[in-house]
Order: sequence, then structure tokens, then C-alpha cells
Amino acid sequence: NAGVTQTPKFQVLKTGQSMTLQCAQDMNHEYMSWYRQDPGMGLRLIHYSVGAGITDQGEVPNGYNVSRSTTEDFPLRLLSAAPSQTSVYFCASSFKQGEAFFGQGTRLTVV
Amino acid sequence: KNEVEQSPQNLTAQEGEFITINCSYSVGISALHWLQQHPGGGIVSLFMLSSGKKKHGRLIATINIQEKHSSLHITASHPRDSAVYICAVRSGSNYQLIWGAGTKLIIKP
Repeated sequence: NAGVTQTPKFQVLKTGQSMTLQCAQDMNHEYMSWYRQDPGMGLRLIHYSVGAGITDQGEVPNGYNVSRSTTEDFPLRLLSAAPSQTSVYFCASSFKQGEAFFGQGTRLTVV
Repeated sequence: KNEVEQSPQNLTAQEGEFITINCSYSVGISALHWLQQHPGGGIVSLFMLSSGKKKHGRLIATINIQEKHSSLHITASHPRDSAVYICAVRSGSNYQLIWGAGTKLIIKP
């Protein structure tokens, strides 16, 4: 049982580059979300999805895109990386009223 | 005012002490979650509760729905309990989690 698989674990980007953070879950969860965690701050919601084909913006969506073509996958795309996007990113999934499961996190540095 | 408030923000204790971390919230909820994050590590769910009390090993979580308050207790604390403990509530029709800022716990040997 893999749970939530998030890749890569570390990434360094140059300003202006694009990349996709991958997130996959094998628990048939409807709800998936992406968070960023910055030093001294709590988790902030970037985007979330309540099911395949349905996505919505969270608290800090600017500069990020998501799609949910399948129940299992919820990739996060950085369109044109900026130093302000240096952060640790977490993907999470759950049933709508259930326990949240998290990926291992991605430490992203934009130089 | 934040919708989920945790206290204390930081807590340092000696090994063996009884630890209490508090969480208060101001919104209607369907469930409250306690999670743990070790330094540089991932986030792990400890408890999900909507009423009463749950126990897992040395960890106990309680919730008082009327008072909109929850506590996480650690008995016989150990240095390996050193981590950030986060309270989050599930609220609203979009099933989002509303997060507390976390409590950084350090247990000294």
C-alpha cells in the first residue's frame, strides 16, 4: 500500500523555468490538495480537488496550475518559477470527511 | 483572529513530563485532526476526532464540541516526541482543512 507518492523530493530551478510536481494516491480518495510550507508559517493551501475533473483555488494559487484527469493523480505545475516559490510543498489526500494522508514533501529552491 | 488557535507556540520540557497542547477553534466543524511533523520530515496524522476522547499509546486526544476546544496530551514524554504538533479542523462544504500554526515541542533528556 503506497499511500501518497510525491515526487521529486528535492528540486532546484532557475527563475523562469517551469516544472511539474507529481502526486499520486492509491486509496481512491476523492479529495486531494497541494500545500506550501514556509519557515515559521503554517501550511497554506494552493489548490485542491474534490474529484476527477474538479479543481479549485486555495489561499495562494498564483503562479501554480493543477489538473485532475484521474482520481489517482493530481500534478502541480509551476508555470514560471520565481524565488518567492522557494518552499516545501506537500500533497495530501483523503476521503471527504476522513483522515488526511500526506506525501513526503518536495523541497524546492528557485535561484 | 485565526479560526484555529494553538497554544503554546513553543514548549520545552524534560523527559518524562506530562505534555498538554491546546487547540481552540471558532468555526463549525465536522472533525478535528492532530498531526505530527518531525524536523525536516513529513506530516503524519495522529488522530481524527469529532467527539470524546481517543488514545494511541502514550498519546491522548480530547475534544469538547460545546467549548470548541481540543487537547493533545503526551504521557511519559520522550526526546523522540520532539516535533511540531499541528491541529486542523475540517469545516465547510468544500471539505477543506483549516490549519493551526503548530506547536513546536522539544523534550530534553
